[in-house]
Amino acid sequence: DVVMTQTPVSLPVSLGGQASISCRSSQSLVHSNGNTYLHWYLQKPGQSPQLLIYRVSNRFSGVPDRFSGSGSGTDFTLKISRVEPEDLGDYYCLQSTHFPWTFGGGTKLELK
Amino acid sequence: QVTLKESGPGILQPSQTLSLTCTFSGFSLSTYGMGVGWIRQPSGKGLEWLANIWWDDDKYYNPSLKNRLTISKDTSNNQAFLKITNVDTADTATYYCARDLGDWGQGVMVTVSS
Repeated sequence: DVVMTQTPVSLPVSLGGQASISCRSSQSLVHSNGNTYLHWYLQKPGQSPQLLIYRVSNRFSGVPDRFSGSGSGTDFTLKISRVEPEDLGDYYCLQSTHFPWTFGGGTKLELK
Repeated sequence: QVTLKESGPGILQPSQTLSLTCTFSGFSLSTYGMGVGWIRQPSGKGLEWLANIWWDDDKYYNPSLKNRLTISKDTSNNQAFLKITNVDTADTATYYCARDLGDWGQGVMVTVSS
């Protein structure tokens, strides 16, 4: 199975500040079709996960441009600029290039 | 508008079979490329992908559950199903269904307890 390693586990931030979360995979996430199936989710307390970024850098419908994704191969980053209160929660990366699909362990974004 | 809603038994005993239903609207599982999957999350822990089914009835499972999973669909009634056989306390979790990993249901809590 592809192991997804997310860092940090906890990320204290100030409102209005910037946050960066790393996700590294144990093997390349480039599919044989050339696409890279790495996605980012936010799970707010008591809610279902919501898709933020799909295929590395594409914002899902309704996601503000404060969220951006980048990376390639095995190394990916989610950046959040101008952090707002509604951005707090648990962030997860997911790879759906290789079966079984696997999630990172999560990063808790919390107030400093 | 896409919506998904999971339903299940709430509580069941070890060794029983867990049957979950995902009832959705706003899309059809007969549409080319469409897929619905199941993901679970024990309380306070991370996410685990379980299985996916596609419009053409192709299916993939997480082998960590050792052949205990069966995913199926009823296209005419806009439903997808997941069965987990021989449950134990480690299967206690909130179970989510999701369309193409993008739209998720609210989740259903399942407790396995004697």
